[in-house]
Amino acid sequence: AQSVAQPEDQVNVAEGNPLTVKCTYSVSGNPYLFWYVQYPNRGLQFLLKYITGDNLVKGSYGFEAEFNKSQTSFHLKKPSALVSDSALYFCAVTSHLYGGSQGNLIFGKGTKLSVKP
Amino acid sequence: DVKVTQSSRYLVKRTGEKVFLECVQDMDHENMFWYRQDPGLGLRLIYFSYDVKMKEKGDIPEGYSVSREKKERFSLILESASTNQTSMYLCASSYLGLAGGLVTGELFFGEGSRLTVL
Repeated sequence: AQSVAQPEDQVNVAEGNPLTVKCTYSVSGNPYLFWYVQYPNRGLQFLLKYITGDNLVKGSYGFEAEFNKSQTSFHLKKPSALVSDSALYFCAVTSHLYGGSQGNLIFGKGTKLSVKP
Repeated sequence: DVKVTQSSRYLVKRTGEKVFLECVQDMDHENMFWYRQDPGLGLRLIYFSYDVKMKEKGDIPEGYSVSREKKERFSLILESASTNQTSMYLCASSYLGLAGGLVTGELFFGEGSRLTVL
């Protein structure tokens, strides 16, 4: 069965410091990985995805993520955190991109990122 | 930009009432989804649809039904609301597959509907 783990419920970072939000996954077959962000009382917004190719993926708002197949991880990173990055972050995975029920994304439970001035 | 619109941001209903949550997307996506979001549980899939008049159960379909009469509209129905259905409901749409040679896969979410059942 597919699964996603976000081991930290909350991550606290000082503004200007680098941030990492962790994600590990378990799928049979090739993983297709996604990060979403949710600001308070809003829907989720797509940040970035890994489908194939370069293991380092760059996305919106200066975020990037590194796919590590041997460690089955897809950690979200940003070199310098902003207070406005404070939000809830979700990692998601699927092993099928071509429709049907097998293509549904499996979401982690979310990690709350708090960036203090 | 893709827009997914949920008809109500906040609803308060009483136990036993029938509740309709409406979702409309404007990008001609085949796929539409209803999730509920609860603290500590993340997003859980209730129902999804890959085509008009087509529906499939997700992980937690009990107590819910859906309707997809038109491609752009996907409705979630609570036949008899209960207090344990108090939650944030999120609608999403996607073209989950090849689109003009590009692999897509990302979901586009609405702003959410926060339902309180008293």
